[in-house]
Amino acid sequence: AQRVTQPEKLLSVFKGAPVELKCNYSYSGSPELFWYVQYSRQRLQLLLRHISRESIKGFTADLNKGETSFHLKKPFAQEEDSAMYYCALSGRGAQKLVFGQGTRLTINP
Amino acid sequence: KAGVTQTPRYLIKTRGQQVTLSCSPISGHRSVSWYQQTPGQGLQFLFEYFSETQRNKGNFPGRFSGRQFSNSRSEMNVSTLELGDSALYLCASKLTGGAEYGYTFGSGTRLTVV
Repeated sequence: AQRVTQPEKLLSVFKGAPVELKCNYSYSGSPELFWYVQYSRQRLQLLLRHISRESIKGFTADLNKGETSFHLKKPFAQEEDSAMYYCALSGRGAQKLVFGQGTRLTINP
Repeated sequence: KAGVTQTPRYLIKTRGQQVTLSCSPISGHRSVSWYQQTPGQGLQFLFEYFSETQRNKGNFPGRFSGRQFSNSRSEMNVSTLELGDSALYLCASKLTGGAEYGYTFGSGTRLTVV
């Protein structure tokens, strides 16, 4: 079964502090992992995907197949990072995304 | 370049009625997917269409259906509405290939069933 678990519903950190949003997955094959973000009153948008190994807005995420995790990290949080973050999984060639429940990140000034 | 457009933005319907939601994908995108977003269940996959064919369907009752037209525009229909169908319905499109190539989402249609 495909499953994505984001253990923290809410996460609050101070500006300038490091941020880590946790994501664990369950998938029998080779998964494709993504992070999507939804800022207040904006549409859901792709933040990054593991296949491209990129850093977007200072965020990075490493796929750890041994721990079946894809945690999102940023060394220094900024107030504009406050948003809802969703981890998502897809099987290669599959036509759907399986989302975690999301983590609401709040950056305090 | 226009994004994914969903209409209407808001809908209020009565239990037992039916509703049709519309989605216009990004120009050139041939794959359109639909998701239901609720506070309790989060984001759940409804179905995906490509070249007017449904390729994948989520675990929803038969009251939920959809279709895609030759211009890639898509509609989803919910019949015999129930209170639990109240949700934000999101449409997403992408060029081709599997989901690993990334979807672009619309702003959604918020459906309230009373």
